Amino acid sequence: EVQVVESGGGLVQPGGSLRLSCEASGFTFSNFAMSWVRQAPGKGLEWVSAISGDGGSTYYADSVKGRFTISRDNSKNTLYLQMNSLRAEDTAVFYCAKTLGPYATHPDYWGQGTLVTVSS
Amino acid sequence: QAVVTQEPSLTVSPGGTVTLTCGSSIGAVTSGHYPYWFQQKPGQAPRTLIHDTSNIHSWTPARFSGSLLGGKAALTLSGAQPEDEADYYCLLSYIVGRPLFGGGTKLTVL
Repeated sequence: EVQVVESGGGLVQPGGSLRLSCEASGFTFSNFAMSWVRQAPGKGLEWVSAISGDGGSTYYADSVKGRFTISRDNSKNTLYLQMNSLRAEDTAVFYCAKTLGPYATHPDYWGQGTLVTVSS
Repeated sequence: QAVVTQEPSLTVSPGGTVTLTCGSSIGAVTSGHYPYWFQQKPGQAPRTLIHDTSNIHSWTPARFSGSLLGGKAALTLSGAQPEDEADYYCLLSYIVGRPLFGGGTKLTVL
């Protein structure tokens, strides 16, 4: 059974950093690109970032480019999102999702999400 | 930058049929936009109903179907059930590696 489980969310001050993790199981992790999607409280979904199965290609939304870094460790079946220079508008539930192929960017199988709150 | 458009809200009667649409501000939606549809119920994570225009998952109820209709992607619900009340989002690909979500449609079954 496919599972993706996010962790690492929490309260951080504006300008601070946080690293989210997503542990995957139930599929051959390196064969699939992974993505992050966020949802601000009461708002819609926003695609954030994706990384290819081999980690060689990364993609970012304009709103996070230069501040967020996506990475993966295929030996640990784990996806990461390093978030720096956090702003209040980054407050959201962050979802990790498996895609349907090694270079896909669309989220397909979603985790339950982890809440990031940026506030002083 | 393109904007993905969805009806903000729709209402369907139990047992009825409703079509949600997903448009693009810069032209017709095609299969090359790889339309996806997601359902999200209150307090839950989204789940994918349709991928690549019309492909369903094993967990997608048979009453949901995806298509292209009049230059838009469409999600049709035939025989609405109370449990189908949810927010529905579409996702389109424009630039490689930069998919865009629509604003979502709040579907009420009443």
